Amino acid sequence: GENVEQHPSTLSVQEGDSAVIKCTYSDSASNYFPWYKQELGKRPQLIIDIRSNVGEKKDQRIAVTLNKTAKHFSLHITETQPEDSAVYFCAASNTGGFKTIFGAGTRLFVKA
Amino acid sequence: GAVVSQHPSWVICKSGTSVKIECRSLDFQATTMFWYRQFPKQSLMLMATSNEGSKATYEQGVEKDKFLINHASLTLSTLTVTSAHPEDSSFYICSAARDRVYEQYFGPGTRLTVT
Repeated sequence: GENVEQHPSTLSVQEGDSAVIKCTYSDSASNYFPWYKQELGKRPQLIIDIRSNVGEKKDQRIAVTLNKTAKHFSLHITETQPEDSAVYFCAASNTGGFKTIFGAGTRLFVKA
Repeated sequence: GAVVSQHPSWVICKSGTSVKIECRSLDFQATTMFWYRQFPKQSLMLMATSNEGSKATYEQGVEKDKFLINHASLTLSTLTVTSAHPEDSSFYICSAARDRVYEQYFGPGTRLTVT
């Protein structure tokens, strides 16, 4: 079945450094790739997303890249801050079937 | 815009009883609502997808007779956990999507503890 793999499971960086989280997906029909940030006990919040007709998207300190051929997409956070510490989930969906598959999550720690 | 509420935020019940969780889209009409289950330090596992006015589509391994989903209107979906057992204890999160729109908007979640 459809699968989304996410790496690393844990990431610790120093404040100000960059953080990169990578995901791969299996369903070639996937065409929408959102990234969510979830703080402990709270709901996932959409932070950025990308559609299959775009290779890169940036929003201030956050950027996402997509390689459809390789079925890879990545989240890049620059100039990390302690408040970026959270669990980040990538996801892939096929809007035709409207089913979203989530990655296992990456726990990001930003040390001050 | 795009606010989703969930009620209750937490509930404790005894084994064998049933619990109903409500998911509401407050400022938009949700053609599709999703129900997820999340165990501590784990990812979101899709349980079922519901479209207004039709039967929910359950994921493999999810018992439809145990997790009853009703999507009676464009702003309300309910999940009823029937004959709850301790292993049903989990964080249940709903999300809602507008028609022909990619984004899902998540509710705040319901923490269910079955004793």
